[in-house]
Amino acid sequence: DAGVIQSPRHEVTEMGQEVTLRCKPISGHNSLFWYRQTMMRGLELLIYFNNNVPIDDSGMPEDRFSAKMPNASFSTLKIQPSEPRDSAVYFCASSLIQINSPLHFGNGTRLTVT
Amino acid sequence: GESVGLHLPTLSVQEGDNSIINCAYSNSASDYFIWYKQESGKGPQFIIDIRSNMDKRQGQRVTVLLNKTVKHLSLQIAATQPGDSAVYFCAENTGANSKLTFGKGITLSVRP
Repeated sequence: DAGVIQSPRHEVTEMGQEVTLRCKPISGHNSLFWYRQTMMRGLELLIYFNNNVPIDDSGMPEDRFSAKMPNASFSTLKIQPSEPRDSAVYFCASSLIQINSPLHFGNGTRLTVT
Repeated sequence: GESVGLHLPTLSVQEGDNSIINCAYSNSASDYFIWYKQESGKGPQFIIDIRSNMDKRQGQRVTVLLNKTVKHLSLQIAATQPGDSAVYFCAENTGANSKLTFGKGITLSVRP
């Protein structure tokens, strides 16, 4: 199993630019999660999907952030326009929709906004 | 990952000794708990989980203990090895779905 695959691994962009992060969940998993990790706030849940449908986006910081899941094998997290405070590591995770199913994480995208 | 190390509590142990990493959780309704290990530049990796109807669960070299009375979770690592050096996170779930809330993390440093 290839695990959760995220791209790019690193992204450096200038303030105001659009950033798109990509995720391929583990095949067969039907829940997908986007997390952000920073020194100050640790791991924060941004949004999650069940069967490609967004269930809870209460963790999305503001309207500049959006996420989509057009099919079971692909999701994107977009920031437009990006700001320096968005600099963080963004993780995608997937799991099965069932009670007490652990999340499996990708290796993240390190985003730097200058 | 980006956030490991600098502002997290650190546990330093001698190689070969046993390690105990502790976590206090906040939600008395949480009924599922997981320990994750995060190495530098990688995502959190699942180690072991436990349901609230249990108070102990063992894996390979790891044991998780759950005390619901005081809302305390611990991870015991037997015969700690240099490869165990990482940041460890506990996570809790109220069971409604797989939405996890993570603790702040603890850095484990293994001395040779």
